[in-house]
Amino acid sequence: GENVEQHPSTLSVQEGDSAVIKCTYSDSASNYFPWYKQELGKGPQLIIDIRSNVGEKKDQRIAVTLNKTAKHFSLHITETQPEDSAVYFCAASRGNLIFGKGTKLSVKP
Amino acid sequence: DTEVTQTPKHLVMGMTNKKSLKCEQHMGHRAMYWYKQKAKKPPELMFVYSYEKLSINESVPSRFSPECPNSSLLNLHLHALQPEDSALYLCASSQGRANEKLFFGSGTQLSVL
Repeated sequence: GENVEQHPSTLSVQEGDSAVIKCTYSDSASNYFPWYKQELGKGPQLIIDIRSNVGEKKDQRIAVTLNKTAKHFSLHITETQPEDSAVYFCAASRGNLIFGKGTKLSVKP
Repeated sequence: DTEVTQTPKHLVMGMTNKKSLKCEQHMGHRAMYWYKQKAKKPPELMFVYSYEKLSINESVPSRFSPECPNSSLLNLHLHALQPEDSALYLCASSQGRANEKLFFGSGTQLSVL
């Protein structure tokens, strides 16, 4: 079955810096890759997603890149703000959604 | 309305109790999900309902019983739970392809004593 590895498990950056979170997946048939943000006391919120026929997608300060050959995808957050502090989960799917273990991002003012 | 509403927000129950978790969405989504999340772990899929029919049961113990009374409501009935069942229970919904673009509720934090 699919296995998704996510790194790093924790990430601390200064406000205004960029943050990058990386995930690798094992099933080459996976074709959908979402990223969820979970703030304390809340459920996960979809922030961006990408399909396997696209290499990159941007939405304001957030971007996701996908390398199908290497089977890895990354989340890039530019100009980080304190409100970006949360746990971020990547996931891969070819039907069933498999989550990575999460990255706790802390943005220091 | 782009919310998934879950009640109650917190629940404490004994191992002999029967309780129910409720979930409601008014986005017209036809797929609804129950996930279980332990502290500092990713969500784990429990059940999926598609068009009000159970389509996926991820080998969940029978002490958890899902119910989908209509396209807007999803319940999770709990009976004879164990302390290790203590977790955050998340409801989600989606439109279109299954398991894509999930909207999650804030969850019910369950403690089993």
